[in-house]
Amino acid sequence: DGGITQSPKYLFRKEGQNVTLSCEQNLNHDAMYWYRQDPGQGLRLIYYSQIVNDFQKGDIAEGYSVSREKKESFPLTVTSAQKNPTAFYLCASIPDHGNTEAFFGQGTRLTVV
Amino acid sequence: GEDVEQSLFLSVREGDSSVINCTYTDSSSTYLYWYKQEPGAGLQLLTYIFSNMDMKQDQRLTVLLNKKDKHLSLRIADTQTGDSAIYFCAEKVNDYKLSFGAGTTVTVRA
Repeated sequence: DGGITQSPKYLFRKEGQNVTLSCEQNLNHDAMYWYRQDPGQGLRLIYYSQIVNDFQKGDIAEGYSVSREKKESFPLTVTSAQKNPTAFYLCASIPDHGNTEAFFGQGTRLTVV
Repeated sequence: GEDVEQSLFLSVREGDSSVINCTYTDSSSTYLYWYKQEPGAGLQLLTYIFSNMDMKQDQRLTVLLNKKDKHLSLRIADTQTGDSAIYFCAEKVNDYKLSFGAGTTVTVRA
């Protein structure tokens, strides 16, 4: 089945450590996105990538980094510079620039302990 | 600018209609969307409306768009317990970007 897969579903990290969240899609979609969800704040865009080897900062990119070496994969690294990393992280993909129906993964809940 | 606003909570009795409201600011938005999020899950597209339409109906869902007031609503007829979820309004900002509201948590009571 085609879809977008995030792993792990739950992740715990100690303060000061970097952690990488995985996002893989087999939908052959061009664009991929990372959003952060906090209660009462909706979805805020962290980074997005329109094409392989290219990505742009979203509204809250500080303390995060990404790579897009393959069309199928868009991993997000939460670095120790991110001041408040505990949140629900959602990955999404869109087929191409003419269609903005976004397909979402099931999310990763990151907790800093 | 991009700013989508929605009320945060809605409580509705099972069998009644639910109406979720949303306002947006970008008058050039071509598509407006409603997404549903169940607990601990990602978002699923429920329906969308193109900006040159006033209304769209899809089974129990009715979307109304007032472009003059930049107001979008989602009506769910005969609300069921399975409709309990967070509903997000979103507008297409450009070819690659969506702007989401904060989400409305709908609670269906018996």
